[in-house]
Amino acid sequence: KAGVTQTPRYLIKTRGQQVTLSCSPISGHRSVSWYQQTPGQGLQFLFEYFSETQRNKGNFPGRFSGRQFSNSRSEMNVSTLELGDSALYLCASSLGVPSTDTQYFGPGTRLTVL
Amino acid sequence: GQQVMQIPQYQHVQEGEDFTTYCNSSTTLSNIQWYKQRPGGHPVFLIQLVKSGEVKKQKRLTFQFGEAKKNSSLHITATQTTDVGTYFCAVYGGSQGNLIFGKGTKLSVKP
Repeated sequence: KAGVTQTPRYLIKTRGQQVTLSCSPISGHRSVSWYQQTPGQGLQFLFEYFSETQRNKGNFPGRFSGRQFSNSRSEMNVSTLELGDSALYLCASSLGVPSTDTQYFGPGTRLTVL
Repeated sequence: GQQVMQIPQYQHVQEGEDFTTYCNSSTTLSNIQWYKQRPGGHPVFLIQLVKSGEVKKQKRLTFQFGEAKKNSSLHITATQTTDVGTYFCAVYGGSQGNLIFGKGTKLSVKP
């Protein structure tokens, strides 16, 4: 089975721009969660989608948004980029609800904001 | 909200030495997961512990869940250079019902 894939792997943007990141979960997995990883803050939860519905959202500003499609693929969008948004963005998929199921992480998208 | 403290933050060992990382919570946990992230890589699930006092082994790795389900440990016997990476514990219980990761313990192994 193919693992979780994320595109693009690397991205360089300037302040004020917006960006869309994509995540394709493992086939059959219905849940996708997004995390932001930075050296200072570690892994922080962004949001979780299950069957196209946002189940949970972390403490991030409204500039961060996401969605999930009927094929379970998910996208996250960050508008009006700030320097502090530079991070590794990871998505993770699980078969069912993440509270009981193992999460499988993708390789991440490395976003650099200049 | 739910927090987990993970110690130590860094650990440098000589190859062949043992290594232990600890994860502590102020509240009782329903379960705890452990992940490993290699340098430049992404977190990879290692194990989930659910029962009080549970001990699970994976080759040289031993995972333990405390009797009160408030702490957990990961012990590596006779470290190898392939053990290099950051080890995270993760628990469910955030205000959003999400997975919360500890800050991680970064392990370096000197050959």
